[in-house]
Amino acid sequence: NAGVTQTPKFRVLKTGQSMTLLCAQDMNHEYMYWYRQDPGMGLRLIHYSVGEGTTAKGEVPDGYNVSRLKKQNFLLGLESAAPSQTSVYFCASRERGKRGTGELFFGEGSRLTVL
Amino acid sequence: GQSLEQPSEVTAVEGAIVQINCTYQTSGFYGLSWYQQHDGGAPTFLSYNGLDGLEETGRFSSFLSRSDSYGYLLLQELQMKDSASYFCAVPLISSGSARQLTFGSGTQLTVLP
Repeated sequence: NAGVTQTPKFRVLKTGQSMTLLCAQDMNHEYMYWYRQDPGMGLRLIHYSVGEGTTAKGEVPDGYNVSRLKKQNFLLGLESAAPSQTSVYFCASRERGKRGTGELFFGEGSRLTVL
Repeated sequence: GQSLEQPSEVTAVEGAIVQINCTYQTSGFYGLSWYQQHDGGAPTFLSYNGLDGLEETGRFSSFLSRSDSYGYLLLQELQMKDSASYFCAVPLISSGSARQLTFGSGTQLTVLP
């Protein structure tokens, strides 16, 4: 019962470097999400996907790109990392529909530090 | 816009009852969810209220009043393991769809012995 798995769990980057965070879910969920969590600011939505091959912007999309080439995977990319992107990143997934009532299943988080 | 307000911190003693409030402002509303997060780990779903009233799940209950745009999470018989952050969340409704979930800033609950 893996659920939602994120890799890597920890990463330190220098300003200007690029990297990709990988999220994989084995629950056959249609919807997948990337959130970032900063102290005192709760969870803010970066990008999301409602199905394979589709992506959409969330609340704080600038500086990030995403791709959903396979239903079970959702990738978050930072093309040129900035210190403001130091954060904990959470991936989540849920079943389609249910008018927003469906339970979100989260990964354990990826802790990124940009120096 | 869409916003949720909840207290940043709450402290209570073991065995007590604590209530965590959440007020929201949304354009359209489908329901209010609650999530728990221990020590920065994965948030986990606790409850959902789509209709007014109280929903009970063991020691945890959640209440919703749509007319007041208000809800709360009630934790009874507090245990040390209940020390965590608690987030309320509502769907963001766009073109009749509710694909995104917006979270409050979270309430840090500390349970004292």
